[in-house]
Amino acid sequence: GAGVSQSPSNKVTEKGKDVELRCDPISGHTALYWYRQRLGQGLEFLIYFQGNSAPDKSGLPSDRFSAERTGESVSTLTIQRTQQEDSAVYLCASTLRTSGYNEQFFGPGTRLTVL
Amino acid sequence: AQSVTQLDSHVSVSEGTPVLLRCNYSSSYSPSLFWYVQHPNKGLQLLLKYTSAATLVKGINGFEAEFKKSETSFHLTKPSAHMSDAAEYFCVVGAITGGGNKLTFGTGTQLKVEL
Repeated sequence: GAGVSQSPSNKVTEKGKDVELRCDPISGHTALYWYRQRLGQGLEFLIYFQGNSAPDKSGLPSDRFSAERTGESVSTLTIQRTQQEDSAVYLCASTLRTSGYNEQFFGPGTRLTVL
Repeated sequence: AQSVTQLDSHVSVSEGTPVLLRCNYSSSYSPSLFWYVQHPNKGLQLLLKYTSAATLVKGINGFEAEFKKSETSFHLTKPSAHMSDAAEYFCVVGAITGGGNKLTFGTGTQLKVEL
């Protein structure tokens, strides 16, 4: 597709369940980022991938959060044993290069609600 | 370390009047600064970016921002507001870490445009 896509667009789950969120970056983009946006707040950086290098996981809030990316394609963000405070919009972004300040193209997000 | 402060959580203007959205930043490095806009149910879109070139940066849709190092500010302006400008605006500071550009977002300013 022309832009970054994410699925599902909405996810409602029960506390304690695991969820998996998917991001399809723009084809050819080498870097991929995950962010979390809580209601009324700015975006919090979670993790980024650059090609086949080890990901920067410095933003992950706990060991319940993990993410994978195969090569320069799809990424999945997994949240285990979800808690109510995990409720947020999870945004994915990709960029063409990682050197310099290149525009990050954002997907529409996945709205996660933990009951 | 870097941070961004958006001084107003909500701004309301009349159509045709000037827009001013205020942003102050803190960065240990020479910063790169961005403004992103988020329309309801749409992804984040880059409005403009400053990367140590001209201090007055022009963006899309008639917006511009001026980098003032002495004031550590990067305020967003537009001479004449349009109804379609109603959205949430995020001031963002960027830093290069490990070869990638990590963005730190402000908490956002909701712009309302009235007839």
